[in-house]
Amino acid sequence: AQSVSQHNHHVILSEAASLELGCNYSYGGTVNLFWYVQYPGQHLQLLLKYFSGDPLVKGIKGFEAEFIKSKFSFNLRKPSVQWSDTAEYFCAVKEGGSYIPTFGRGTSLIVHP
Amino acid sequence: SQTIHQWPATLVQPVGSPLSLECTVEGTSNPNLYWYRQAAGRGLQLLFYSVGIGQISSEVPQNLSASRPQDRQFILSSKKLLLSDSGFYLCAWSKDSHTEAFFGQGTRLTVV
Repeated sequence: AQSVSQHNHHVILSEAASLELGCNYSYGGTVNLFWYVQYPGQHLQLLLKYFSGDPLVKGIKGFEAEFIKSKFSFNLRKPSVQWSDTAEYFCAVKEGGSYIPTFGRGTSLIVHP
Repeated sequence: SQTIHQWPATLVQPVGSPLSLECTVEGTSNPNLYWYRQAAGRGLQLLFYSVGIGQISSEVPQNLSASRPQDRQFILSSKKLLLSDSGFYLCAWSKDSHTEAFFGQGTRLTVV
């Protein structure tokens, strides 16, 4: 079965610091990749997604992620975080043609003003 | 545009009581529907998914069941709740295998 690993479970940063959250998956075939964000008290929202094409994907709110096939990775980045980025972040992977995304355990990000 | 409704937002139920959580999707037809459970530090665990009316696939054996009586309605049920059923339950939908999933607001279930 496919698995998704998020290496950082808790991250604490100060405003303006750079962010990189790791995501690795185990499936060797075609994959669709996602990052979701869950702000406190809100529902899961899509930050960005990769289906094909340019492996560097731009998302909302200044986030981006890079798909590196050889490393089975899809790390999320933001050059300068804000207090409002405090949230839980989930990486998800779907095998190409599958209906079912598999989620990582999530990373809790706290940004201090 | 499409929207997903999930209710109730919070629920407190005694052990042994039945459960029914409802989820409906508007603005689309024949969606794929999902029930997930979210536990702190453990991510989202897929419980059930459905690709059509009356078709339910279960991912993990447990005290819960799901039904899809209508195209855009997905129900999570239990005949007798256990303490271990407490958690945050999320309904989601997707259009097809080439699109992302969209999530409802979730239901916080506490079994006492």
